[in-house]
Amino acid sequence: SQTIHQWPATLVQPVGSPLSLECTVEGTSNPNLYWYRQAAGRGLQLLFYSVGIGQISSEVPQNLSASRPQDRQFILSSKKLLLSDSGFYLCASRTNTEAFFGQGTRLTVV
Amino acid sequence: AQSVAQPEDQVNVAEGNPLTVKCTYSVSGNPYLFWYVQYPNRGLQFLLKYITGDNLVKGSYGFEAEFNKSQTSFHLKKPSALVSDSALYFCAVRDGDSNYQLIWGAGTKLIIKP
Repeated sequence: SQTIHQWPATLVQPVGSPLSLECTVEGTSNPNLYWYRQAAGRGLQLLFYSVGIGQISSEVPQNLSASRPQDRQFILSSKKLLLSDSGFYLCASRTNTEAFFGQGTRLTVV
Repeated sequence: AQSVAQPEDQVNVAEGNPLTVKCTYSVSGNPYLFWYVQYPNRGLQFLLKYITGDNLVKGSYGFEAEFNKSQTSFHLKKPSALVSDSALYFCAVRDGDSNYQLIWGAGTKLIIKP
């Protein structure tokens, strides 16, 4: 089965600072990769997904961007963080029959 | 269009009692159905899935779910709840006839009281 590594686990950043969250996948090749945001411990909002290197689809227009420089690496970025970017961010990989999640990053923008 | 509904924001159950977390879905093709659990500040963990076959699916930690095609439901159940089952539970669906995205329910907070 796949393992998703996501870091850091927690992050406190000032408004206007840049962001880079990294996610790497083990145990598979050419995975479909996803970034979700979860606000207030509730539903998952799909932010970006990627079906291959350099291929990014954005689900929600926002202050964030994503990149996939390598097959098993998926990065969530921002040039200037907003207070509203605070939340719990989850990276995931998906096969036809199962999704695998990283442990999440708790981002607090102050 | 695909959709998933978890009609209860929160479910409260006494320890030792049976529990049910409800999920209904809508897909145009054959449904692939999933349940995941999330503990505080953690990623989601897979519990069980229905792809095909027996309508009653058994999963991790003593959980099971029953696929009901006529009612388009996939309720999560456990015969005897534990305090450690307290967590956030997510139902998800995908159209098995396509490579569409997984659609997630809003989550149900399960609280098991001693």
